[in-house]
Amino acid sequence: DSGVTQTPKHLITATGQRVTLRCSPRSGDLSVYWYQQSLDQGLQFLIHYYNGEERAKGNILERFSAQQFPDLHSELNLSSLELGDSALYFCASSAGQVGEAFFGQGTRLTVV
Amino acid sequence: GNSVTQMEGPVTLSEEAFLTINCTYTATGYPSLFWYVQYPGEGLQLLLKATKADDKGSNKGFEATYRKETTSFHLEKGSVQVSDSAVYFCALKGNGGYQKVTFGIGTKLQVIP
Repeated sequence: DSGVTQTPKHLITATGQRVTLRCSPRSGDLSVYWYQQSLDQGLQFLIHYYNGEERAKGNILERFSAQQFPDLHSELNLSSLELGDSALYFCASSAGQVGEAFFGQGTRLTVV
Repeated sequence: GNSVTQMEGPVTLSEEAFLTINCTYTATGYPSLFWYVQYPGEGLQLLLKATKADDKGSNKGFEATYRKETTSFHLEKGSVQVSDSAVYFCALKGNGGYQKVTFGIGTKLQVIP
């Protein structure tokens, strides 16, 4: 158990809908990262938050947004969903200057 | 910016064969380097890490040495097992509290009996 909790584990929704994925980082970790993993694109970095502030953006679509709350949990919002958004979405957290990232088990999103 | 270049797979080996998965990086300063493993149907798990030049990370028979002169962090194992079949990701994290972790594309390893 990495200590990072992601909910839900599975999500099936229709095209055009909006979903929210939730991540609780390890206790004390200030950094939260979101990644998308699909069969054809590999592991794609989406966004990084540190102590509530956005620090880096990767290949995140405008239809997607995220935030980190004062209690450090994070949410990834995906809207106007398309079939191609079907993927595994991972959250990871880390602490300190040399700390590795600890990953959650992921949320498998299926858009039908 | 920081980047990680990792050999593309898939890599198919027979059990007890020697494994090398190459990884090179581009980064300013002195990043920390990691290898992660993803078993089928699971999330990524840290396999090993090294935080400064010449450090050797090791775990479960896997090793990787932080080579600053060649900017490399190649993963090796002397004798692979079927249970090592997974996807392996090389990654780096720059110095500083809010540096993001940058991953390579991942190398799929398949070990056959």
